[in-house]
Formats: sequence, structure tokens, C-alpha cells
Amino acid sequence: AQSVTQPDIHITVSEGASLELRCNYSYGATPYLFWYVQSPGQGLQLLLKYFSGDTLVQGIKGFEAEFKRSQSSFNLRKPSVHWSDAAEYFCAVGGTIKAAGNKLTFGGGTRVLVKP
Amino acid sequence: GAVVSQHPSWVICKSGTSVKIECRSLDFQATTMFWYRQFPKQSLMLMATSNEGSKATYEQGVEKDKFLINHASLTLSTLTVTSAHPEDSSFYICSARDLGRQGPSSTGELFFGEGSRLTVL
Repeated sequence: AQSVTQPDIHITVSEGASLELRCNYSYGATPYLFWYVQSPGQGLQLLLKYFSGDTLVQGIKGFEAEFKRSQSSFNLRKPSVHWSDAAEYFCAVGGTIKAAGNKLTFGGGTRVLVKP
Repeated sequence: GAVVSQHPSWVICKSGTSVKIECRSLDFQATTMFWYRQFPKQSLMLMATSNEGSKATYEQGVEKDKFLINHASLTLSTLTVTSAHPEDSSFYICSARDLGRQGPSSTGELFFGEGSRLTVL
């Protein structure tokens, strides 16, 4: 069974400081990994995804994530956060449409608060 | 880009009534849509997979008769919460993948709707 763990329920960071959100996954085959962001009362927006190839993935809004197979991790980073980055962030793991029906399993989420 | 729209964005209903939530793919076709439920400050839990032209596939523990799903066309799936009770109050989110972009070996990107908040009094 696939699972995702986001160890940090919430993180507070100062504007301009760097941010790292942790994500650990469990998946029986080659994982396909995603990071989504959700603003209050809104749906999810895809930040970035990893399917294969370069383990450092660039996404939108200045985010990047690094896939480390040995650690079963896919941590999200941003060098300098902006107040608009305050939101809930979800890590998700899935498989191919054929293998997993395109189902995604989400982590519990990490709420990011940005101090001025 | 691919857009998924949900309607209504929020709805308040009385206990015992039924509520229908629509999920539409506006600029692409989707044979499969997914319905998620999200409790406050919690993650998304997959409820069911909606398949165009066939019955939905429900996750374990989700009541089929409670949450009726219909996928009548390649751009529309509906979730009907029947005989709603206060414990059904939640944020419901749908997602869809673009049929035209992916094959069976692809995970494809899922596009999410903006969510529908249901409050049952």
C-alpha cells in the first residue's frame, strides 16, 4: 500500500527566509511524486512533479524538490519565501494509470505561516 | 491550461435533504474523475473514482448509497449527498485527468476543482 508522511503539521517562517517541507513516502514500485499547494477554501494547485530523470525538480513560484530514493523522500524547498506562500502544502504519491488507476495518496499536509 | 470547475462553491442545507455537486472539465475531456473529501485541517481522502459511462468505484468505507456519483458525459461528473446529516459537512474536491494527453503508462497530471464546501444544519 502506498502512503505519504509529512512530519511537520505546521511551520512558521519569516518572510525572506528559506523554507523546507519534508515528505516521506512508501510505494511498492517506481513512485510518481507531487507537491500541491492549497490556499484557504480553495482547491489544489500543482507546484511540481517527479516522474523520472533528474532528481532535482523545478516547479512554479520558485519551488523545487529533490527526490532521494535511498531516503524515500521528496522534500520541497524555496530559497526565499514571500507572504503569499502562506498556505497548506500537500505531498502526494501515485503510480501509472495502468498500475494505480491514477490514484493519488496524499500526506497529511503542512501548514506554512509567514511572519513579516 | 486544463480547468476543472465545481459548482456550487458552497452550500448549506437542512438535515435530511440531498445535495448535488457538479464537477466539470471546461476545456478537456475526462473519462475518469476523482472525488475527495477533506475535513478541516486534514488531508484529502479519496472517496471514489468516477468513470464515464459506467459505475463509480468507491473506496473502502465509503457508502455507495450515501454518496451517489454519476459521470454522464466526458466533461461532467456529479456527486449527490443523499439524506445529508451534519457529519457529512465537509469540503469536497474533484479532480480529473486530460484524456487527450496521457496513455496508460502515464500518471498524467490531475487537475483539481476549487472545491465545494457543504454545511448540513
